[in-house]
Amino acid sequence: RKEVEQDPGPFNVPEGATVAFNCTYSNSASQSFFWYRQDCRKEPKLLMSVYSSGNEDGRFTAQLNRASQYISLLIRDSKLSDSATYLCVVGIYGNKLVFGAGTILRVKS
Amino acid sequence: DAGVTQSPTHLIKTRGQQVTLRCSPISGHKSVSWYQQVLGQGPQFIFQYYEKEERGRGNFPDRFSARQFPNYSSELNVNALLLGDSALYLCASSRNPDGAPGANVLTFGAGSRLTVL
Repeated sequence: RKEVEQDPGPFNVPEGATVAFNCTYSNSASQSFFWYRQDCRKEPKLLMSVYSSGNEDGRFTAQLNRASQYISLLIRDSKLSDSATYLCVVGIYGNKLVFGAGTILRVKS
Repeated sequence: DAGVTQSPTHLIKTRGQQVTLRCSPISGHKSVSWYQQVLGQGPQFIFQYYEKEERGRGNFPDRFSARQFPNYSSELNVNALLLGDSALYLCASSRNPDGAPGANVLTFGAGSRLTVL
């Protein structure tokens, strides 16, 4: 079983749509949680950290359920510029981050 | 301020050769980590260094080694290259090497894309 599992997609959605990504992790000792965004052939960039209380940043909302070991990302009012791969990331210790394989999002006009 | 810088950006090697990749962290960041990203997969943790000491190692063979210098820059070395070593090698830096929740936010460099023929 992979340490971090994501639906690879691709998710093809029209502009303005709401889209949700889910992720599960296997290590109950995981300490920190993130969503990173990666554009084609570029480096991953931090989209947002994820907290147990849930957090929102503009059109993006992240949720964490430690009991179920489940992380989600909701994107509202999708823009063309949101097209990218979204990586679910779990921090185990130090700077060891465990990445999911990513979910591809394509927003079309 | 400059971000994380890596060199070279692209390189081509043949099987059996050796390669050295370089990384300069963001000014003020003392922790450097290395990740390997194979096409279609998420990045995989290789090493973490802090204050010139290895703080973590991923599940990679001994052909992979790294070091950190007094100025916090770092090198990743891979010996006896295999076709499967073809990947994007990412360096990331952070201020805090510890595992406190939310502390290990990493900033990645643009990567070194290695092709092994």
